[in-house]
Amino acid sequence: AQTVTQSQPEMSVQEAETVTLSCTYDTSESNYYLFWYKQPPSRQMILVIRQEAYKQQNATENRFSVNFQKAAKSFSLKISDSQLGDTAMYFCAFMKQGGSQGNLIFGKGTKLSVKP
Amino acid sequence: NAGVTQTPKFQVLKTGQSMTLQCAQDMNHEYMSWYRQDPGMGLRLIHYSVGAGITDQGEVPNGYNVSRSTTEDFPLRLLSAAPSQTSVYFCASSYGDPGNTIYFGEGSWLTVV
Repeated sequence: AQTVTQSQPEMSVQEAETVTLSCTYDTSESNYYLFWYKQPPSRQMILVIRQEAYKQQNATENRFSVNFQKAAKSFSLKISDSQLGDTAMYFCAFMKQGGSQGNLIFGKGTKLSVKP
Repeated sequence: NAGVTQTPKFQVLKTGQSMTLQCAQDMNHEYMSWYRQDPGMGLRLIHYSVGAGITDQGEVPNGYNVSRSTTEDFPLRLLSAAPSQTSVYFCASSYGDPGNTIYFGEGSWLTVV
């Protein structure tokens, strides 16, 4: 069975600074997808970034980028130029490629606070 | 385009009562799922469906029932509510390759007293 671990329950960062959220996972699969989701106080689940395991290049989306280390089973999220609107829970999630679409396995989340 | 719509948004139930959480999507997605989110936890999969007439269990299926009679709708039934089912419930839908975007509803807050 796959597991996803987020070791930082809470983090804080000053506005405009950079912060990195950690995620490790355990799987015997060779092909899979990894995701970071943002959940603001409204509880809406918002996709931040997605990484295909077969791609060596790290995914980027504007101020968000990942450091994907497949051998180490590590998938960290870097947020550059942090903004007050980045304050939210962040969940790392795993989906195996051969599995049913939509079957995500989530970590317990990291609560990020961006301070002015 | 309404996306994924969940109703009700808030519900209080008494122990032993039954109810149905509704989920509808208008994007013609074949895949639909139900998750629950408890305090301090990420979302956990309850049941999922890969198309009309096909459902299967996820990680935490006990106490819940689903059916998929149409592509658009995927209701979640609580058969006999228990306080342990107090949670926030999310419906999600997607299509095509596993890496495609998964669309989530806004959540349904359920309290069982």
